[in-house]
Amino acid sequence: DTEVTQTPKHLVMGMTNKKSLKCEQHMGHRAMYWYKQKAKKPPELMFVYSYEKLSINESVPSRFSPECPNSSLLNLHLHALQPEDSALYLCASSPGTNTGELFFGEGSRLTVL
Amino acid sequence: QKEVEQDPGPLSVPEGAIVSLNCTYSNSAFQYFMWYRQYSRKGPELLMYTYSSGNKEDGRFTAQVDKSSKYISLFIRDSQPSDSATYLCAIQRDTDSNYQLIWGAGTKLIIKP
Repeated sequence: DTEVTQTPKHLVMGMTNKKSLKCEQHMGHRAMYWYKQKAKKPPELMFVYSYEKLSINESVPSRFSPECPNSSLLNLHLHALQPEDSALYLCASSPGTNTGELFFGEGSRLTVL
Repeated sequence: QKEVEQDPGPLSVPEGAIVSLNCTYSNSAFQYFMWYRQYSRKGPELLMYTYSSGNKEDGRFTAQVDKSSKYISLFIRDSQPSDSATYLCAIQRDTDSNYQLIWGAGTKLIIKP
């Protein structure tokens, strides 16, 4: 079982809705990530938090807003999304920022109508 | 030229066969190489993490790096239907920026009983 927990597993929202994706890890990891994955494609990096500070924002549209309330939690706030934003959103964590060993959650499958 | 090239497959083999999955990369400075396994509708799971050249073995899995050819391989011995998944190679740009993983396209592997 993955030690990175994501909720909800599935989410359907309209283009005017506001929703949030949540991620939690209790491995004491200091880096947390949001990735977006479309079908039959590799994950695409969206955001990186290192020691609870946003360190990377890969030119993601402002309709995606990340938040790291503490070292164990990571949120992704969604607002005014487009149908093309429908994808699997993956949260990951790693012990630090000097390793490629990422621990992924099972993902939140988002459908935007 | 892409930094990492990986044949998306699918690759279909009979149960018990030896499977060879491969990626090529363009930058000879890369030193950290990973293989992730992703089951359908799940997040990726780290299988192997290798540094520089050589082999690394873990049970039925062997990761091999040939830096002279800029070629990385994952071998699966005695393949099982439960090995059916997408296998993604990933390369870390450097030790200070693990979030800068470069992903291969992923190879879909099908093990036929």
